[in-house]
Amino acid sequence: GENVEQHPSTLSVQEGDSAVIKCTYSDSASNYFPWYKQELGKRPQLIIDIRSNVGEKKDQRIAVTLNKTAKHFSLHITETQPEDSAVYFCAASSINFGNEKLTFGTGTRLTIIP
Amino acid sequence: NAGVTQTPKFQVLKTGQSMTLQCAQDMNHNSMYWYRQDPGMGLRLIYYSASEGTTDKGEVPNGYNVSRLNKREFSLRLESAAPSQTSVYFCASSDPRGWTSSNDNEQFFGPGTRLTVL
Repeated sequence: GENVEQHPSTLSVQEGDSAVIKCTYSDSASNYFPWYKQELGKRPQLIIDIRSNVGEKKDQRIAVTLNKTAKHFSLHITETQPEDSAVYFCAASSINFGNEKLTFGTGTRLTIIP
Repeated sequence: NAGVTQTPKFQVLKTGQSMTLQCAQDMNHNSMYWYRQDPGMGLRLIYYSASEGTTDKGEVPNGYNVSRLNKREFSLRLESAAPSQTSVYFCASSDPRGWTSSNDNEQFFGPGTRLTVL
């Protein structure tokens, strides 16, 4: 089955600086890579996703890059703000109708220092 | 729309007791999932249901059973609780549509159930 590794497990960044979280996956059949944000005591929520036919996707201060050859993808947050403090999870899946199981990484706790 | 709801929010069990965690969604989604979240382990899939009447094992199914009662409801049952099942349990739902548009495959999570087994 799929195995997703995520690094680092904790990350502290000065407010206004950039943060980068990296994930690797093992199954070359995976074609869908979402990122979820979980604030303390809350449920995970999707912030951005990317498909294997795209190398990069941006949404305001958030971007995700994918390198299919190396089987790794990264989350980039620019101009970080205090509300970016949370745990971030990457995930991978092979999207086929009737089979949408996600395999999650172990999470990165991001702390923004004011 | 309430989205995905779960009951109860908190539960304490003794070893060997049984209980059922309830989950319901009002988004007319076909797929539903049960995850457990443990410190340092991320979210691990217990069971999922791709459509009403079907269920399949995930990564950590041992000690659990599920029922997809109808399209809206997906319950998780612990027949004989063990301390190793102490965790936060999340239910999620989605309506995967392949590549039609962005966020098509988003999974929507419930608020979670914090379960402690003594």
